[in-house]
Amino acid sequence: KNEVEQSPQNLTAQEGEFITINCSYSVGISALHWLQQHPGGGIVSLFMLSSGKKKHGRLIATINIQEKHSSLHITASHPRDSAVYICAVHGSSNTGKLIFGQGTTLQVKP
Amino acid sequence: GAVVSQHPSRVICKSGTSVKIECRSLDFQATTMFWYRQFPKQSLMLMATSNEGSKATYEQGVEKDKFLINHASLTLSTLTVTSAHPEDSSFYICSARIPSGNTIYFGEGSWLTVV
Repeated sequence: KNEVEQSPQNLTAQEGEFITINCSYSVGISALHWLQQHPGGGIVSLFMLSSGKKKHGRLIATINIQEKHSSLHITASHPRDSAVYICAVHGSSNTGKLIFGQGTTLQVKP
Repeated sequence: GAVVSQHPSRVICKSGTSVKIECRSLDFQATTMFWYRQFPKQSLMLMATSNEGSKATYEQGVEKDKFLINHASLTLSTLTVTSAHPEDSSFYICSARIPSGNTIYFGEGSWLTVV
């Protein structure tokens, strides 16, 4: 079993829909990242969380440390949101290494 | 603009030759950088941790003589794929960590094709 599990692996939505991607982890962490990777390959860090909730535009990320679970929400989804979303955690050993989930491929259809 | 710049974005090389990929932190000094490889439709695989002024730390199964990493300054790490083979064709991407915390920035990535 992977230390970081994401669900779903693939997601297709209609433009405007509310989207949720889930991430569960089994290790102690110092921080959790939500990353976005577009087809060209480049990766952008959307959020870094160690507790609570963060919001940026139409994106919301939450984390529950006790339950070892995080969610990424996209409101009013748009075709340009189509990408791979990756959950990654920094272990509590503070080496800087990331443990990655397998990614969620999102396609938003117009 | 990019906080971490990676170059080249795409490179094609012949089998047996070596190719160098650069990763630069533009707005901060990065004592630690990370090099990843990604196969199609798979997640990122950490290859090595690049430490400024010291030897890189390689992950298990990664050949250090084949994937040479040099981190000679606080803003530049390089990955050299030596004696490249077609199976080395892949997407390589670096990241750099802000020294004071867990904030990370990724480079744009490099697509390597070995023919």
